[in-house]
Amino acid sequence: QKEVEQDPGPLSVPEGAIVSLNCTYSNSAFQYFMWYRQYSRKGPELLMYTYSSGNKEDGRFTAQVDKSSKYISLFIRDSQPSDSATYLCAMSETGNQFYFGTGTSLTVIP
Amino acid sequence: EPEVTQTPSHQVTQMGQEVILRCVPISNHLYFYWYRQILGQKVEFLVSFYNNEISEKSEIFDDQFSVERPDGSNFTLKIRSTKLEDSAMYFCASSEGVISSTDTQYFGPGTRLTVL
Repeated sequence: QKEVEQDPGPLSVPEGAIVSLNCTYSNSAFQYFMWYRQYSRKGPELLMYTYSSGNKEDGRFTAQVDKSSKYISLFIRDSQPSDSATYLCAMSETGNQFYFGTGTSLTVIP
Repeated sequence: EPEVTQTPSHQVTQMGQEVILRCVPISNHLYFYWYRQILGQKVEFLVSFYNNEISEKSEIFDDQFSVERPDGSNFTLKIRSTKLEDSAMYFCASSEGVISSTDTQYFGPGTRLTVL
């Protein structure tokens, strides 16, 4: 069931670059949108949460939701080597059951 | 900083055996979740639990699976008769409330289950 699509990468960028990560989805009822970061052998860690449409900014991270296009994005400005991880998008109708993307593997090269 | 803990970190079992995966959620949290991630695949929701009962479950969470909060601190996932395809990383998560602008779902480090 392909509810959420995410390019698995891998994505490799130089330090300081702007990174753009994206997910598309098919279920128009989704209204909770999350971005998680997952380091190797660790559980996902919530980075950004957005309810319904719009933008949200937190430090170097910006999350965007375009419900009309069923498309969400995470932008990382001034990327750092410590940002190297797998980034997972997840979304939900109810805020309870979440559907995850496959994750995009990001490497930031010093 | 409070964290979700899971034990064991790695469990190896024979096909057909029962396994219990254990989680200690963050102490003031009320909502508990289990997810699994088969190697190289997506994180998949299994079940959510609130007020001592299941609030939502996915198609994966069939009769082979059960969850329990046996005391005030532990939250367990039991697989009654393991199959080879149950081999995966199992993540427990907890949150203070249903996901909102203020509630965050915290994940544990996971238990890697290997079924032989």
